[in-house]
Amino acid sequence: AQKVTQAQTEISVVEKEDVTLDCVYETRDTTYYLFWYKQPPSGELVFLIRRNSFDEQNEISGRYSWNFQKSTSSFNFTITASQVVDSAVYFCALSGLSGGSYIPTFGRGTSLIVHP
Amino acid sequence: SAVISQKPSRDICQRGTSLTIQCQVDSQVTMMFWYRQQPGQSLTLIATANQGSEATYESGFVIDKFPISRPNLTFSTLTVSNMSPEDSSIYLCSVGLGVRSDEQFFGPGTRLTVL
Repeated sequence: AQKVTQAQTEISVVEKEDVTLDCVYETRDTTYYLFWYKQPPSGELVFLIRRNSFDEQNEISGRYSWNFQKSTSSFNFTITASQVVDSAVYFCALSGLSGGSYIPTFGRGTSLIVHP
Repeated sequence: SAVISQKPSRDICQRGTSLTIQCQVDSQVTMMFWYRQQPGQSLTLIATANQGSEATYESGFVIDKFPISRPNLTFSTLTVSNMSPEDSSIYLCSVGLGVRSDEQFFGPGTRLTVL
């Protein structure tokens, strides 16, 4: 069985602060994928990143960075110099091979509020 | 990636009625998925819809309540039948791209409120 834990229910920061969203996962699969999605107040889910289990390289995309550590089963997401537009619910998801296709399991989400 | 549209974007319905949600993709895809997101909750997979076969439902979801159609590789519908206020949720369509559908992209969602 797959499980994704996002222990932080809500995080509140002031603009320009750095913020890290935690994600811890459990899986028995040796091959799996990890994702982060952003859900702004409009409700649409926006794909941010996908990482496969064999690639532990950290990734940076502008103000976003991701830290994947298999040893601790974590895939944390950091926003540097946060902005008000970053306010959203962020979901971490995990997909391992199930019935021949990868269907993700989502965490409960972390609500990020960035104050001006 | 894929561009996915859903209709309607939102609706307010009366108890006991049914609503059909449409999902259109800009390219042919093998696997389409329907999710439900109840207020303040995470996403729960309702079913997987493959073209040419019956949808596969997850535990807790049944075809009589959530019938799904998948007439071709770019389109699917989800019907929420005999609605009650507990069905008030965002319903999201997604498609799986890549080998074994390991990349999922989501539609904008349909916000349903049942009175």
